[in-house]
Amino acid sequence: EVQLVESGGGLVQPGGSLRLSCAASGFIFRNYAMSWVRQAPGKGLEWVSVISASGDTTNYANSVKGRFTISRDNSKNTLYLQMSSLRVEDTAVYYCAKGGWLAACDSWGQGTLVTVSS
Amino acid sequence: DIQMTQSPSSVSASVGDRVTITCRASQRLSSYLAWYQQRPGKAPKLLIYAASALYSGVPSRFSGSESGTDFTLTISSLQPEDCAIYYCQQANSFPITFGQGTRLEIK
Repeated sequence: EVQLVESGGGLVQPGGSLRLSCAASGFIFRNYAMSWVRQAPGKGLEWVSVISASGDTTNYANSVKGRFTISRDNSKNTLYLQMSSLRVEDTAVYYCAKGGWLAACDSWGQGTLVTVSS
Repeated sequence: DIQMTQSPSSVSASVGDRVTITCRASQRLSSYLAWYQQRPGKAPKLLIYAASALYSGVPSRFSGSESGTDFTLTISSLQPEDCAIYYCQQANSFPITFGQGTRLEIK
């Protein structure tokens, strides 16, 4: 059974930084692209970023480009999202998802809440 | 960026009804379209990929179709557990974009 468990969310001040992690199990992690998708409170889904299976290629939403960095450690079956220069509008539940490189995301984690507020 | 426009924004239907949700893309997607279900307080779940392929474990009352830049999610016989928000997503090109969602309520 695929399991994706996000962690690292919390309260951070505007301009601050935070690193999210997603621990994966139940599938061969190194064989799949991985994505981050977020959802602001009461709003719809917004794609954030995707990384290739090997980790050598990434893509970002314009809203986070230059501020967020996606990475992965295939030896630890873990996906990361380093977030810096955080803004109030980055407040959201952040979901880790399997797949998504010009394809559907077939499994999702439960999400971790990031709140950017002073 | 490819814009995805869903309609209706909300729909209310009775158990056993046939329900149709539409998603219109601003350009052709070559079938790179997925549908997701998000129940209250839960993570999204994949229902349909490649416009019409049913994901493993998804009940057969869900189906998807494509006509040009219009995509349709159909629930053939609505069940109480189908109360959720439904999103379409294009995966034809970056940036990936979602529709704004359709809230489905049970009468």
